[in-house]
Amino acid sequence: AQTVTQSQPEMSVQEAETVTLSCTYDTSESDYYLFWYKQPPSRQMILVIRQEAYKQQNATENRFSVNFQKAAKSFSLKISDSQLGDAAMYFCAYRSAGPGRQGAQKLVFGQGTRLTINP
Amino acid sequence: EAGVAQSPRYKIIEKRQSVAFWCNPISGHATLYWYQQILGQGPKLLIQFQNNGVVDDSQLPKDRFSAERLKGVDSTLKIQPAKLEDSAVYLCASSFRDITGELFFGEGSRLTVL
Repeated sequence: AQTVTQSQPEMSVQEAETVTLSCTYDTSESDYYLFWYKQPPSRQMILVIRQEAYKQQNATENRFSVNFQKAAKSFSLKISDSQLGDAAMYFCAYRSAGPGRQGAQKLVFGQGTRLTINP
Repeated sequence: EAGVAQSPRYKIIEKRQSVAFWCNPISGHATLYWYQQILGQGPKLLIQFQNNGVVDDSQLPKDRFSAERLKGVDSTLKIQPAKLEDSAVYLCASSFRDITGELFFGEGSRLTVL
């Protein structure tokens, strides 16, 4: 079974600075998706960024980018120019890419990292 | 486009009582998920539906939890009888059956068992 590990329970950063959240995963599969989800306090979880395992190029969405190291099974999230609205729980998640397999589409989450933005 | 709707948002019950949560996914989304998120932890999948069939319920405590998705649209998750350790946020999510893999989440139903 796949597992996802986030080793940083809490992180803090000064507003406008850059912060990197770490994530490692364990899988025997070669094709999969990796995600970072953001969960603000008492609000719904939303997708921040997605990476397909077959793509070597790291995904980027505005101020958010990832460092995907497939061989090391590492998937870190970098937030540049941090803003107060970035404060939230961030979850790294793994999903198999095989739609035909039972349970293949479920999302496996890490434990989360609570990000605090200091003004 | 309307998002995933869940109700109730909050529920407080005594242990051994029963509770039910409702979820309405995004229109056209064939896959529906129920996740349990205990405070301070990441969400854990309880059950996954593809249309009205169960794809994965391997982590559903079937002696007390049940879920159904009638007509492949709305879904209900029931707990009976509830235990203290069932206190959690129950998240419903849905996805379109494609290769992008994105799940869309509701705001969750927070259950407190006293």
